[in-house]
Amino acid sequence: GESVGLHLPTLSVQEGDNSIINCAYSNSASDYFIWYKQESGKGPQFIIDIRSNMDKRQGQRVTVLLNKTVKHLSLQIAATQPGDSAVYFCAESRGPLGGFKTIFGAGTRLFVKA
Amino acid sequence: GAGVSQSPSNKVTEKGKDVELRCDPISGHTALYWYRQSLGQGLEFLIYFQGNSAPDKSGLPSDRFSAERTGGSVSTLTIQRTQQEDSAVYLCASSLRGTGQLYSPLHFGNGTRLTVT
Repeated sequence: GESVGLHLPTLSVQEGDNSIINCAYSNSASDYFIWYKQESGKGPQFIIDIRSNMDKRQGQRVTVLLNKTVKHLSLQIAATQPGDSAVYFCAESRGPLGGFKTIFGAGTRLFVKA
Repeated sequence: GAGVSQSPSNKVTEKGKDVELRCDPISGHTALYWYRQSLGQGLEFLIYFQGNSAPDKSGLPSDRFSAERTGGSVSTLTIQRTQQEDSAVYLCASSLRGTGQLYSPLHFGNGTRLTVT
């Protein structure tokens, strides 16, 4: 099935450190790129999105960076907490040419060590 | 408020049987998605309904899979003659986004865990 690629399947960080989760995508026509967080036994939850005409967007403790030249997306989590432990998915919304449907990547599991 | 509801939460079936999975989206959401998630894997797109447009069925893995959305609300995913490789969590999501609008986040249910024995 369709999916967006990821660089690393797992990431382990110390509590209080910053986390960086990376993602590669292939579809240049996507108009939004999004990060979702999935905790065990639950459906994914929206974290933050970025429009394709932007290169950076900040939220609460999270920053998303978009590099369209190399088709790379990253999620930075500041001062990582135990509650941040989850699987993180990048996703892209395919815009008008793709019917606006959302396609997900394979996911990165984040472990936060106390 | 009420979120996306999926039923059943768990389903065990024998190989060769048909199953129906139900999704109740958030009221007023025009877009509805079905995804499949195998253990430790990502979300595989299956099908997408957007308003009154014809559904995007490009992700359905075989003709044993079908889905419908009645009255622009409740959706049912049907798998006929189930196989062991169909075992996975089936996730439904809905969103407000219509065509040409700003991105609207997907709201997910907690999924139906299907086990085919």
